[in-house]
Amino acid sequence: DGGITQSPKYLFRKEGQNVTLSCEQNLNHDAMYWYRQDPGQGLRLIYYSQIVNDFQKGDIAEGYSVSREKKESFPLTVTSAQKNPTAFYLCATSVEGYSNQPQHFGDGTRLSIL
Amino acid sequence: AQKVTQAQTEISVVEKEDVTLDCVYETRDTTYYLFWYKQPPSGELVFLIRRNSFDEQNEISGRYSWNFQKSTSSFNFTITASQVVDSAVYFCALSELGGGATNKLIFGTGTLLAVQP
Repeated sequence: DGGITQSPKYLFRKEGQNVTLSCEQNLNHDAMYWYRQDPGQGLRLIYYSQIVNDFQKGDIAEGYSVSREKKESFPLTVTSAQKNPTAFYLCATSVEGYSNQPQHFGDGTRLSIL
Repeated sequence: AQKVTQAQTEISVVEKEDVTLDCVYETRDTTYYLFWYKQPPSGELVFLIRRNSFDEQNEISGRYSWNFQKSTSSFNFTITASQVVDSAVYFCALSELGGGATNKLIFGTGTLLAVQP
């Protein structure tokens, strides 16, 4: 079954804790993205990766980190430096990062603070 | 700066009514792409359409139609004979191409469409 898998669906973070959100794809897409969605603010880009072993900061990268060691995987770590992590996080992919191909999205992870 | 404005925060219609969702964008580039996505209650964003800045022809896909007007920087989305399954948040987005820019999307704040039976 092709697609983008995000896990977990719900995640809770304690104060001072780092948490990692998983994003796996089997679409063979080169580019992957992480967005944050807050109520009334649309989606904002956190990080993106156009190819393996390369990634770039988006508009709101502070307090987050990523890695792209495999084409299929683009995990996002929400660090303790991110003071307001409660949001809905969406992972997306596109065939390549240098064109304007549509981005395809996973089901999202909802992160809350305990 | 690039910007996408969806002035309608929420729209409520009764089933079978037609409804238009507005999208106004700002960009200094001459080459760009516009997108519409649907976000049902389950959360994932579903791609609906992509339109490039050189193609101003309107497009129809079943009950969906899109009106792109470069003169007013608008890319409006109309659902004809709405159905309860159309209830979702709809996002308009802008992507620019130029100077090796990556495929970054600028999203509007979304319009919540509620279709009542």
